[in-house]
Amino acid sequence: DVVLTQTPVAQPVTLGDQASISCRSSQSLVHSNGNTYLEWYLQKPGQSPQLLIYKVSNRFSGVPDRFIGSGSGSDFTLKISRVEPEDLGVYYCFQATHDPYTFGAGTKLELK
Amino acid sequence: QVQLKESGPGLVQPSQTLSLTCTVSGFSLTSNSVHWVRQPPGKGLEWMGGIWGDGSTDYNSALKSRLSISRDTSKSQVFLKMNSLQTDDTAIYFCTLFAYWGQGTLVTVSS
Repeated sequence: DVVLTQTPVAQPVTLGDQASISCRSSQSLVHSNGNTYLEWYLQKPGQSPQLLIYKVSNRFSGVPDRFIGSGSGSDFTLKISRVEPEDLGVYYCFQATHDPYTFGAGTKLELK
Repeated sequence: QVQLKESGPGLVQPSQTLSLTCTVSGFSLTSNSVHWVRQPPGKGLEWMGGIWGDGSTDYNSALKSRLSISRDTSKSQVFLKMNSLQTDDTAIYFCTLFAYWGQGTLVTVSS
Protein backbone atom coordinates (compact mmCIF):
# COMPACT_ATOMS: atom_id res chain seq x y z
CA ASP A 1 0.00 0.00 0.00
CA VAL A 2 1.11 3.59 -0.63
CA VAL A 3 2.29 5.28 2.55
CA LEU A 4 1.86 9.05 2.77
CA THR A 5 4.18 10.67 5.31
CA GLN A 6 3.07 14.10 6.47
CA THR A 7 5.35 16.53 8.26
CA PRO A 8 5.20 18.18 10.66
CA VAL A 9 2.77 16.34 12.93
CA ALA A 10 1.80 19.69 14.45
CA GLN A 11 2.38 23.20 13.15
CA PRO A 12 2.01 26.00 15.69
CA VAL A 13 1.25 29.30 13.97
CA THR A 14 0.44 32.90 14.67
CA LEU A 15 -2.57 34.28 12.82
CA GLY A 16 -1.38 35.99 9.66
CA ASP A 17 1.67 33.71 9.34
CA GLN A 18 2.36 31.37 6.45
CA ALA A 19 2.17 27.61 7.12
CA SER A 20 3.59 24.79 5.06
CA ILE A 21 2.78 21.07 5.23
CA SER A 22 4.70 18.36 3.44
CA CYS A 23 3.32 15.07 2.12
CA ARG A 24 5.75 12.48 0.80
CA SER A 25 4.58 9.30 -0.87
CA SER A 26 6.30 5.90 -0.79
CA GLN A 27 5.87 5.74 -4.56
CA SER A 28 5.07 8.03 -7.45
CA LEU A 29 1.47 9.20 -7.54
CA VAL A 30 1.42 9.71 -11.30
CA HIS A 31 -1.40 7.57 -12.67
CA SER A 32 -1.04 5.67 -15.94
CA ASN A 33 -3.45 8.23 -17.44
CA GLY A 34 -0.98 11.03 -16.65
CA ASN A 35 -2.98 12.56 -13.80
CA THR A 36 -1.72 12.79 -10.22
CA TYR A 37 -4.52 12.13 -7.76
CA LEU A 38 -3.17 13.87 -4.68
CA GLU A 39 -5.71 15.78 -2.61
CA TRP A 40 -5.70 17.84 0.56
CA TYR A 41 -8.46 17.94 3.17
CA LEU A 42 -9.06 20.02 6.28
CA GLN A 43 -10.98 18.56 9.20
CA LYS A 44 -12.12 21.07 11.78
CA PRO A 45 -12.99 19.82 15.27
CA GLY A 46 -16.28 17.94 15.31
CA GLN A 47 -16.73 18.26 11.55
CA SER A 48 -16.39 16.09 8.48
CA PRO A 49 -13.31 16.56 6.32
CA GLN A 50 -13.61 19.18 3.60
CA LEU A 51 -11.85 19.07 0.25
CA LEU A 52 -9.39 21.88 -0.31
CA ILE A 53 -7.16 20.81 -3.21
CA TYR A 54 -7.49 18.09 -5.86
CA LYS A 55 -5.01 16.82 -8.43
CA VAL A 56 -2.09 18.45 -6.60
CA SER A 57 -2.86 22.10 -7.21
CA ASN A 58 -6.52 22.68 -8.10
CA ARG A 59 -8.57 24.53 -5.50
CA PHE A 60 -12.05 23.14 -4.91
CA SER A 61 -15.01 25.48 -5.32
CA GLY A 62 -15.06 28.21 -2.68
CA VAL A 63 -11.57 27.51 -1.32
CA PRO A 64 -9.68 30.78 -0.76
CA ASP A 65 -6.62 31.46 -2.89
CA ARG A 66 -4.41 31.56 0.22
CA PHE A 67 -4.38 27.74 -0.06
CA ILE A 68 -1.76 26.65 -2.58
CA GLY A 69 -0.96 23.06 -3.46
CA SER A 70 2.18 22.11 -5.32
CA GLY A 71 4.51 19.23 -6.04
CA SER A 72 4.96 16.30 -8.36
CA GLY A 73 5.81 12.62 -8.40
CA SER A 74 6.04 11.69 -4.75
CA ASP A 75 6.69 15.03 -3.04
CA PHE A 76 3.87 17.48 -2.34
CA THR A 77 3.30 20.61 -0.31
CA LEU A 78 0.32 22.59 0.92
CA LYS A 79 1.03 26.22 1.74
CA ILE A 80 -1.39 28.45 3.58
CA SER A 81 -0.52 32.11 3.39
CA ARG A 82 -1.88 34.48 6.02
CA VAL A 83 -3.43 31.85 8.33
CA GLU A 84 -6.89 32.81 9.56
CA PRO A 85 -8.81 31.40 12.56
CA GLU A 86 -11.04 29.24 10.33
CA ASP A 87 -7.93 27.50 8.93
CA LEU A 88 -7.17 25.76 12.23
CA GLY A 89 -7.69 22.02 12.36
CA VAL A 90 -6.12 18.84 11.02
CA TYR A 91 -4.91 18.67 7.43
CA TYR A 92 -4.75 15.35 5.59
CA CYS A 93 -3.20 14.50 2.27
CA PHE A 94 -4.85 11.68 0.34
CA GLN A 95 -3.95 9.69 -2.75
CA ALA A 96 -6.38 8.09 -5.17
CA THR A 97 -3.84 6.98 -7.75
CA HIS A 98 -3.12 3.54 -6.34
CA ASP A 99 -5.48 0.98 -4.85
CA PRO A 100 -6.07 1.01 -1.94
CA TYR A 101 -6.51 4.74 -1.58
CA THR A 102 -4.68 6.08 1.46
CA PHE A 103 -4.55 9.11 3.74
CA GLY A 104 -1.61 10.68 5.47
CA ALA A 105 -1.66 10.66 9.27
CA GLY A 106 -2.56 14.32 9.48
CA THR A 107 -0.96 17.63 10.47
CA LYS A 108 -2.56 19.70 13.18
CA LEU A 109 -2.49 23.43 12.50
CA GLU A 110 -2.78 25.12 15.89
CA LEU A 111 -2.18 28.49 17.49
CA LYS A 112 1.17 29.17 19.15
CA GLN B 1 -27.59 20.66 -3.59
CA VAL B 2 -25.46 17.60 -2.98
CA GLN B 3 -26.19 15.86 0.31
CA LEU B 4 -25.16 12.57 1.87
CA LYS B 5 -26.47 11.22 5.16
CA GLU B 6 -25.39 8.11 7.00
CA SER B 7 -27.71 6.08 9.18
CA GLY B 8 -27.40 2.91 11.17
CA PRO B 9 -27.10 1.46 14.67
CA GLY B 10 -24.93 3.34 17.10
CA LEU B 11 -24.00 0.18 18.96
CA VAL B 12 -22.98 -3.20 17.61
CA GLN B 13 -21.94 -6.24 19.60
CA PRO B 14 -18.55 -7.86 18.98
CA SER B 15 -18.58 -10.51 16.24
CA GLN B 16 -21.81 -9.10 14.81
CA THR B 17 -22.41 -7.46 11.43
CA LEU B 18 -22.57 -3.71 10.87
CA SER B 19 -25.09 -2.38 8.36
CA LEU B 20 -25.03 1.28 7.38
CA THR B 21 -27.04 3.23 4.82
CA CYS B 22 -25.97 6.37 3.00
CA THR B 23 -28.91 8.30 1.54
CA VAL B 24 -27.89 10.78 -1.11
CA SER B 25 -29.50 13.63 -3.02
CA GLY B 26 -28.49 16.19 -5.57
CA PHE B 27 -26.55 13.83 -7.81
CA SER B 28 -26.87 10.52 -9.63
CA LEU B 29 -25.36 7.31 -8.27
CA THR B 30 -24.96 6.03 -11.82
CA SER B 31 -22.66 8.93 -12.69
CA ASN B 32 -20.63 9.19 -9.49
CA SER B 33 -18.70 6.96 -7.14
CA VAL B 34 -19.58 6.92 -3.43
CA HIS B 35 -17.02 5.84 -0.88
CA TRP B 36 -16.91 4.92 2.79
CA VAL B 37 -14.22 6.37 5.05
CA ARG B 38 -13.93 5.73 8.77
CA GLN B 39 -12.18 7.46 11.65
CA PRO B 40 -11.56 5.87 15.06
CA PRO B 41 -12.06 8.37 17.89
CA GLY B 42 -9.15 10.79 18.02
CA LYS B 43 -7.35 9.12 15.10
CA GLY B 44 -6.89 9.53 11.37
CA LEU B 45 -8.93 8.65 8.30
CA GLU B 46 -9.11 5.25 6.60
CA TRP B 47 -10.57 4.65 3.15
CA MET B 48 -12.72 1.52 3.32
CA GLY B 49 -14.00 1.16 -0.22
CA GLY B 50 -16.33 2.53 -2.84
CA ILE B 51 -18.94 1.80 -5.44
CA TRP B 52 -18.53 3.29 -8.89
CA GLY B 53 -21.13 4.69 -11.25
CA ASP B 54 -21.24 1.43 -13.18
CA GLY B 55 -21.92 -0.51 -9.98
CA SER B 56 -18.45 -2.02 -9.65
CA THR B 57 -16.84 -1.97 -6.25
CA ASP B 58 -13.38 -1.49 -4.82
CA TYR B 59 -12.29 -2.38 -1.31
CA ASN B 60 -9.38 -1.70 0.99
CA SER B 61 -7.45 -4.95 0.97
CA ALA B 62 -7.22 -4.83 4.76
CA LEU B 63 -11.02 -5.03 5.03
CA LYS B 64 -11.95 -6.86 1.83
CA SER B 65 -12.73 -10.19 3.47
CA ARG B 66 -15.29 -8.57 5.81
CA LEU B 67 -16.71 -5.74 3.73
CA SER B 68 -19.46 -5.38 1.16
CA ILE B 69 -20.70 -2.19 -0.50
CA SER B 70 -23.85 -2.11 -2.59
CA ARG B 71 -26.53 0.34 -3.69
CA ASP B 72 -30.16 0.82 -4.64
CA THR B 73 -30.27 3.52 -7.29
CA SER B 74 -34.08 3.73 -7.16
CA LYS B 75 -33.82 4.80 -3.52
CA SER B 76 -30.61 6.81 -3.93
CA GLN B 77 -28.97 4.72 -1.24
CA VAL B 78 -25.57 3.14 -0.79
CA PHE B 79 -25.08 0.36 1.75
CA LEU B 80 -22.12 -0.83 3.78
CA LYS B 81 -22.04 -4.23 5.43
CA MET B 82 -19.08 -5.39 7.48
CA ASN B 83 -19.01 -8.59 9.46
CA SER B 84 -17.03 -9.94 12.40
CA LEU B 85 -16.84 -6.57 14.11
CA GLN B 86 -14.30 -6.05 16.88
CA THR B 87 -13.74 -3.21 19.31
CA ASP B 88 -11.16 -1.60 17.04
CA ASP B 89 -13.90 -1.12 14.44
CA THR B 90 -15.34 1.55 16.74
CA ALA B 91 -15.25 4.68 14.60
CA ILE B 92 -17.15 7.45 12.91
CA TYR B 93 -18.20 6.14 9.51
CA PHE B 94 -18.53 8.66 6.68
CA CYS B 95 -19.97 8.26 3.22
CA THR B 96 -18.46 10.62 0.74
CA LEU B 97 -18.03 11.79 -2.84
CA PHE B 98 -14.73 13.23 -1.57
CA ALA B 99 -15.85 16.64 -2.78
CA TYR B 100 -18.85 16.27 -0.46
CA TRP B 101 -19.15 14.39 2.82
CA GLY B 102 -21.90 13.17 5.08
CA GLN B 103 -21.89 14.20 8.71
CA GLY B 104 -20.73 10.75 9.76
CA THR B 105 -22.25 8.25 12.14
CA LEU B 106 -20.54 6.94 15.27
CA VAL B 107 -20.53 3.18 15.58
CA THR B 108 -19.43 1.70 18.89
CA VAL B 109 -18.55 -1.97 19.08
CA SER B 110 -19.16 -3.16 22.60
CA SER B 111 -20.97 -5.85 24.53
